[in-house]
Amino acid sequence: RKEVEQDPGPFNVPEGATVAFNCTYSNSASQSFFWYRQDCRKEPKLLMSVYSSGNEDGRFTAQLNRASQYISLLIRDSKLSDSATYLCVVNHKTSYDKVIFGPGTSLSVIP
Amino acid sequence: DAGITQSPRHKVTETGTPVTLRCHQTENHRYMYWYRQDPGHGLRLIHYSYGVKDTDKGEVSDGYSVSRSKTEDFLLTLESATSSQTSVYFCAISDQQGLGQETQYFGPGTRLLVL
Repeated sequence: RKEVEQDPGPFNVPEGATVAFNCTYSNSASQSFFWYRQDCRKEPKLLMSVYSSGNEDGRFTAQLNRASQYISLLIRDSKLSDSATYLCVVNHKTSYDKVIFGPGTSLSVIP
Repeated sequence: DAGITQSPRHKVTETGTPVTLRCHQTENHRYMYWYRQDPGHGLRLIHYSYGVKDTDKGEVSDGYSVSRSKTEDFLLTLESATSSQTSVYFCAISDQQGLGQETQYFGPGTRLLVL
């Protein structure tokens, strides 16, 4: 089983739609969680950190469920500019701070 | 945007030749990383550095070596390139670890094709 799993998609949604991505992780000792965004042929960029209490940044809401070991990202009122691949990222301690990137979920927002 | 550059941005080489990729940062961040990204695998850590001359292996380090002689430069070397090393290589930097909320900033990537 992969350490971090995501539905690869693609998710094709119309403008204005709400879309949700889920991510599961296997290591219960994982300590911190993030969502990164990667545009086609570009580098990943941090979208938001994910806190235990859940957090919101404009149209984006991230949730963490430690008991079930999954993270979610909700995008409301989708824009064309939201089209990208969304990477779930999990960090836990081994001999170093091990950062594991999920394979990503592809989103296309359609006019 | 964080000041990270990678060179070259694109490279085509032949199997068996040595290749060196360079990552340069202007942020004075302590930690630097090399990842490779392949379809279906996500980003996988090759090597990382936690200071000048301090480096360690990541999960896919076989066939790669690194060096960091200055804070701002982190070099990745493929001693004898193989076709399985065809990939997109990203360098990343961060200024803290172990605090649970560190952010990694990525360079623009190097596309390497090994024929």
